[in-house]
Amino acid sequence: GAGVSQSPRYKVAKRGQDVALRCDPISGHVSLFWYQQALGQGPEFLTYFQNEAQLDKSGLPSDRFFAERPEGSVSTLKIQRTQQEDSAVYLCASSSILRGPAFFGQGTRLTVV
Amino acid sequence: KNEVEQSPQNLTAQEGEFITINCSYSVGISALHWLQQHPGGGIVSLFMLSSGKKKHGRLIATINIQEKHSSLHITASHPRDSAVYICAAGSNTGNQFYFGTGTSLTVIP
Repeated sequence: GAGVSQSPRYKVAKRGQDVALRCDPISGHVSLFWYQQALGQGPEFLTYFQNEAQLDKSGLPSDRFFAERPEGSVSTLKIQRTQQEDSAVYLCASSSILRGPAFFGQGTRLTVV
Repeated sequence: KNEVEQSPQNLTAQEGEFITINCSYSVGISALHWLQQHPGGGIVSLFMLSSGKKKHGRLIATINIQEKHSSLHITASHPRDSAVYICAAGSNTGNQFYFGTGTSLTVIP
């Protein structure tokens, strides 16, 4: 596709369930970012990849959150044992080069019930 | 400390009004993004600016690098413009975006 694609668009999970959110960046994009946006708030940084290397994971809120990008393209954000406070929109962005133009996905809205 | 500040937080306008949303940032940036987020959560990238002004339809975005300030203008506003508008600054180190908390716009017919 022409843009950053995230799936699923919507996910409802029962508390305690594990979820996996996928981000397909634009082909060839080196940098990939994950953000979490709680209702009524601006997005908050979670983690950053350059190719397959996770250079910054300082924003991951707990060890229940894990992100990977094993081949330097598609990335998966995994949340284990989901809690209600994990309910948010998870946003992915990618850019072709460091400090290059960035493109945003549509986000995945996660609701934990 | 917020690296990106947006104003106003909430804005209600009558259809047809000219709308301005402001964004100030305190970090060094490579580019400034304006995003539109609809109630379902989906985000659309409206503009990416590193200097000057861009126009797309009824939307205009400007940036003043010296003053570290950007504005998003909507001319002849329409109810379908109702959404949250978010300003995001891409850091000049390339490894971070800083987001404003968004401006919730409601355009009344």
